[in-house]
Amino acid sequence: AQSVAQPEDQVNVAEGNPLTVKCTYSVSGNPYLFWYVQYPNRGLQFLLKYITGDNLVKGSYGFEAEFNKSQTSFHLKKPSALVSDSALYFCAVRASGYALNFGKGTSLLVTP
Amino acid sequence: DAGVIQSPRHEVTEMGQEVTLRCKPISGHDYLFWYRQTMMRGLELLIYFNNNVPIDDSGMPEDRFSAKMPNASFSTLKIQPSEPRDSAVYFCASSLAGAWTGELFFGEGSRLTVL
Repeated sequence: AQSVAQPEDQVNVAEGNPLTVKCTYSVSGNPYLFWYVQYPNRGLQFLLKYITGDNLVKGSYGFEAEFNKSQTSFHLKKPSALVSDSALYFCAVRASGYALNFGKGTSLLVTP
Repeated sequence: DAGVIQSPRHEVTEMGQEVTLRCKPISGHDYLFWYRQTMMRGLELLIYFNNNVPIDDSGMPEDRFSAKMPNASFSTLKIQPSEPRDSAVYFCASSLAGAWTGELFFGEGSRLTVL
C-alpha cells in the first residue's frame, strides 16, 4: 500500500529561522507526493506536489520540498519561518485512483 | 467561487442516534472524498466517488456507516446507530480528474461528538 510517515509529532522553530518538516514514503512505482496545511478549525489546503521533474518543488507561501529518491524522503522546508506558519502539516501520497493517503501530521510551532 | 460546503459544522448527539453529514462539492468536480480525522488515527479515507458512483469504500469502518451521492452536487455520510468512538471531524473534499493535479479541495469539516 502507498503510505507516508511523518516521524515528528511537533516541530518548534524560532521566527526567522529555517524550518524542516520531515516525511518519508513507501510506494510501489513512481511516487506522487504532496504537502497540505491545516489551520485550526479549517480544512486542509494544498501547498505543493511532486509528480515528476525537478527534485526541488516550490509551492505556496514560500514553502518548498525536496524529493530524495535514495532516502525515500520528501521533506518540507522554508528558509525563514513566520509565526503565521504555525499550523498542522500533512504529507500525502497518491493511493488508488485519485485518492490520497495522508500521514498523521506534524504540528509546527513558530515562536516570536 | 464557493468552496466545498459541509453541514452541520458541529453536531452533538447521543449514542444510538442517527447522524447525517452533508457535503456540496465544488461545481464541476467529478471526484468526491469523505475523510475522518481523529487524534489517534489521523486522517483516514472512508470512501470516494467518481461521477456519483462509489469507487472505493474499503475505509468505511463498519456497516453502521453508509454514504450516498444522489447527484453531482450533493453527498451524505450517515452513521446509524452512532457510538462514542465515532466522535471525530469528518471532512469532505472534491477534485477534478480531467485536470488532475493532486489538489483536493477540502470543506471546513463537520465535528461530531457522540455522548
